[in-house]
Amino acid sequence: DTEVTQTPKHLVMGMTNKKSLKCEQHMGHRAMYWYKQKAKKPPELMFVYSYEKLSINESVPSRFSPECPNSSLLNLHLHALQPEDSALYLCASSVDSLSGNTIYFGEGSWLTVV
Amino acid sequence: KNEVEQSPQNLTAQEGEFITINCSYSVGISALHWLQQHPGGGIVSLFMLSSGKKKHGRLIATINIQEKHSSLHITASHPRDSAVYICAVRFPYSGGGADGLTFGKGTHLIIQP
Repeated sequence: DTEVTQTPKHLVMGMTNKKSLKCEQHMGHRAMYWYKQKAKKPPELMFVYSYEKLSINESVPSRFSPECPNSSLLNLHLHALQPEDSALYLCASSVDSLSGNTIYFGEGSWLTVV
Repeated sequence: KNEVEQSPQNLTAQEGEFITINCSYSVGISALHWLQQHPGGGIVSLFMLSSGKKKHGRLIATINIQEKHSSLHITASHPRDSAVYICAVRFPYSGGGADGLTFGKGTHLIIQP
């Protein structure tokens, strides 16, 4: 199993809503990532979890709140988002956060904030 | 500043043509990834290279560490190869994003039947 599974695939939410994006992998990877990708742009790193601990937060606004409840799951909690937060949110994982490891990406969650 | 440059940005070719996409970077790296992204959004990791050459099916990736350059080749291209191809490198001291990955802007490839 070399899959990173993300749910939901599509999400439309209002600016006052609270929602969550979920990511799951069963490859035994201990590094998991959230990326944000706007149209026609490369992905931008948001968060890195290494061994279930948040190791990197790339100055992401607090309306995005990551959570790693166990080594297989990664959540991104969303609250009071803005329309400019509409984007494709990609989850990825790798054996660990060191170089030399293949990174596996999920299919992404398309988020629209209205 | 550590940078990754890809070329061409857009490429349209006929089915069966040999395709080359190039990636160059500014300083030494510890790893280079070639990624494929279809319009639906998901990214597939094609290759991870630190030296030499790798082949998988009709795809070949090469890297020249001294010249700081990598190429992705597609032989006997097919319309299903149409996608965005992204080069991403890991600079040894996190010169890119926090996990060390700096992404190129991608090459939008269209293969016409």
